[in-house]
Amino acid sequence: QTVVTQEPSFSVSPGETVTLTCGLSSGSVSTNYYPSWYQQTPGQAPRTLIYNTNTRSSGVPDRFSGSILGNKAALTITGAQADDECDYYCVLYMGSGVYVFGTGTKVTVL
Amino acid sequence: EVQLLESGGGLVQPGGSLRLSCASSGFTFRSSAMSWVRQAPGKGLEWVSVVSGSGGSTYYADSVRGRFTVSRDNSKNTLYLQMNSLRAEDTAVYYCAKDALRQYYYMEVWGKGTTVTVSS
Repeated sequence: QTVVTQEPSFSVSPGETVTLTCGLSSGSVSTNYYPSWYQQTPGQAPRTLIYNTNTRSSGVPDRFSGSILGNKAALTITGAQADDECDYYCVLYMGSGVYVFGTGTKVTVL
Repeated sequence: EVQLLESGGGLVQPGGSLRLSCASSGFTFRSSAMSWVRQAPGKGLEWVSVVSGSGGSTYYADSVRGRFTVSRDNSKNTLYLQMNSLRAEDTAVYYCAKDALRQYYYMEVWGKGTTVTVSS
């Protein structure tokens, strides 16, 4: 059973930078997993932020960026704003048509 | 503009069945894979299933394989999820998503979701 791990929560001050990570219970995340990132406000549908490791989806501000850091995928928010306060999920493509969502990170901006 | 509208959710008893629909517009439906993703109350997102543009390839999460069936009608631009042998743990908001399977492997655009409650 593959588990994709994320930090449960992060707290950041407005204007600061925060990096969320997405790892595997066993093994390293690489671009071969096509990591993608999604933002979700409670009660709302997810919104796509990043795909193919580091490509921003249409309309996503450039303060959001994706990368591989060490053995994990990463989402960096540069200059956090109040409306960045929500949940963030990564997804890894495991092959054979199967996706696995990460456990999610709740970001608080205060 | 891509639009996805789920319907068919509701209250069903354990062991029962339900069929969800996702009406799509604003893109060439037959050319796009489509996914179902769910979110149990207070929990994270869980990928459920994906179907290729032709409908010829289908894939499932272990948690639903053998009980759920994904299909599509490209003449009606509609995606379906037939859910059988429902369990309490299937209670969730179900989202459909336009999927970039075989391109960049991600969910591009999301519907607003439909709620399924499995309870006696």
